[in-house]
Amino acid sequence: EPEVTQTPSHQVTQMGQEVILRCVPISNHLYFYWYRQILGQKVEFLVSFYNNEISEKSEIFDDQFSVERPDGSNFTLKIRSTKLEDSAMYFCADSAGREAFFGQGTRLTVV
Amino acid sequence: EDQVTQSPEALRLQEGESSSLNCSYTVSGLRGLFWYRQDPGKGPEFLFTLYSAGEEKEKERLKATLTKKESFLHITAPKPEDSATYLCAVRRDQAGTALIFGKGTTLSVSS
Repeated sequence: EPEVTQTPSHQVTQMGQEVILRCVPISNHLYFYWYRQILGQKVEFLVSFYNNEISEKSEIFDDQFSVERPDGSNFTLKIRSTKLEDSAMYFCADSAGREAFFGQGTRLTVV
Repeated sequence: EDQVTQSPEALRLQEGESSSLNCSYTVSGLRGLFWYRQDPGKGPEFLFTLYSAGEEKEKERLKATLTKKESFLHITAPKPEDSATYLCAVRRDQAGTALIFGKGTTLSVSS
């Protein structure tokens, strides 16, 4: 069964550094998403991407964040100048329009 | 404001002791209610999507139902391997829009 693949599984970074989280979605899906989950809290929407552009974003997704689909398959989330409060699980998800399927996540730890 | 509330926050059951989890929601133009299972440190695993009041879906020991204001996830004769956090999410307006999650119910089943 096709699945969403995320790398790395765990990333530790110094405060102020830039990180890039990577996702390989299911190939025939159209909608791509990034969510995050701070430890012990609910899953929160960051941004959705459709037809090679951002279709929706939350208040969390400010100028610190950016998304790209650089080569037509991979889907990346870049976080510039990381802060301690960016420490969380980051999930990539995709959808053909109905159900959304999630990757296993990247645990980002900012120290 | 769109909102998803799950109860109880935590539930402890004995193996074989059936129970139900609740998800109440307020959303403009519901375009699907989703149930996910999440194991510690993992991404949400898709279980069900319900689209209209009265709809029911089953998978092994799980059965999801939907009314105009809430959804129930019924667990019949649970086993220890059913222990996980169960997340409810809604999608509003149109296909592909972001999911709004509840905080989840953490289920523990002891043998």
